[in-house]
Amino acid sequence: LAKTTQPISMDSYEGQEVNITCSHNNIATNDYITWYQQFPSQGPRFIIQGYKTKVTNEVASLFIPADRKSSTLSLPRVSLSDTAVYYCLVGDGGKLIFGQGTELSVKP
Amino acid sequence: SAVISQKPSRDICQRGTSLTIQCQVDSQVTMMFWYRQQPGQSLTLIATANQGSEATYESGFVIDKFPISRPNLTFSTLTVSNMSPEDSSIYLCSVALGGSSSYNEQFFGPGTRLTVL
Repeated sequence: LAKTTQPISMDSYEGQEVNITCSHNNIATNDYITWYQQFPSQGPRFIIQGYKTKVTNEVASLFIPADRKSSTLSLPRVSLSDTAVYYCLVGDGGKLIFGQGTELSVKP
Repeated sequence: SAVISQKPSRDICQRGTSLTIQCQVDSQVTMMFWYRQQPGQSLTLIATANQGSEATYESGFVIDKFPISRPNLTFSTLTVSNMSPEDSSIYLCSVALGGSSSYNEQFFGPGTRLTVL
């Protein structure tokens, strides 16, 4: 399974756009890229998933370049409640292997 | 989506005892997973539990220590056997819905916080 690399932590302020980049150099042809959000004392929550180009939903956008060796999660206008750990995963279905994740801290 | 409940939500246990954690899903699912998350750490997959087959364990986890049952499509249990303080962790179950491309979308339970003294 492809291994992912993310920044350990990021700081932001309310109202800013936050971009978290994930590297997955060994991604396989059939792998999808998925992002999860985890608040303290809760299980992870699915945010968004994509295969290539750009995917957007009501909470985030996911940008994937043509070579698919990286991806960027974009959170528009973050609020204090977006403070959480964000995980990038790649896989082709079945088990998920979680990396270290990025701890995002949003400040007022 | 799927709603998942776990019992107990937390427990404090003595060394050498065993604890069985229950995971209940509000719909029928084929694939269920058990994870462990130590404080401040990421999630580590323990095993995949598909109904009708033996659980598949990840490297570093064995059936004797973490026996899993999957009696039907809405329920699973994970037992942490012969516990030691190193087993103190949060244990989470998750389920996957849909076809292969959807397996990356999993729904997680709230977790069971286990402390072993």
